Amino acid sequence: GAGVSQSPSNKVTEKGKDVELRCDPISGHTALYWYRQSLGQGLEFLIYFQGNSAPDKSGLPSDRFSAERTGGSVSTLTIQRTQQEDSAVYLCASSLFNQPQHFGDGTRLSIL
Amino acid sequence: KQEVTQIPAALSVPEGENLVLNCSFTDSAIYNLQWFRQDPGKGLTSLLLIQSSQREQTSGRLNASLDKSSGRSTLYIAASQPGDSATYLCAVRHSFNKFYFGSGTKLNVKP
Repeated sequence: GAGVSQSPSNKVTEKGKDVELRCDPISGHTALYWYRQSLGQGLEFLIYFQGNSAPDKSGLPSDRFSAERTGGSVSTLTIQRTQQEDSAVYLCASSLFNQPQHFGDGTRLSIL
Repeated sequence: KQEVTQIPAALSVPEGENLVLNCSFTDSAIYNLQWFRQDPGKGLTSLLLIQSSQREQTSGRLNASLDKSSGRSTLYIAASQPGDSATYLCAVRHSFNKFYFGSGTKLNVKP
């Protein structure tokens, strides 16, 4: 596709359930980023994948959060045992190394 | 830890005015700085990226400058238009794998 694609665009789930968010980066982009944007707050960096290097997971807010990038392309962000404070818009971006980031439209996650 | 601040938080100007948005950061050891715009309910659109070795970048009516030593960047918008209304965010790449965003400036350009 022409841009970064995220799915689902909206997700409503009950507290305690697990959720998976998907990101399809721009073809050929070696770098992939996940961010969280909470209501009224700025963007919070979560994790960064560059090529085949192991990602730095220190930005993930808790051990309930994990992320994978398979084959250097598609990435999934998984949140286990969701809590109400996990409600936010989760944004994915991709880029060539050290070049401008291109963002998807995000997944709006609501925890009831 | 890197902290990024954007002033003002909101700005309302009449169409045609030139304006400046400010971004400051606390640690000058950055790889690059990027300016984005975000429209309501949408992701971010990249406007300009300035590498740490550069002083400014220009695209159309936009000009971004970077002064690493003072920890500042400005985004200059010439001849503003109602279509420029959006939230403008700056972000610094602080290290190989750390990225910090400001909280944004919400711009309203009145026809």
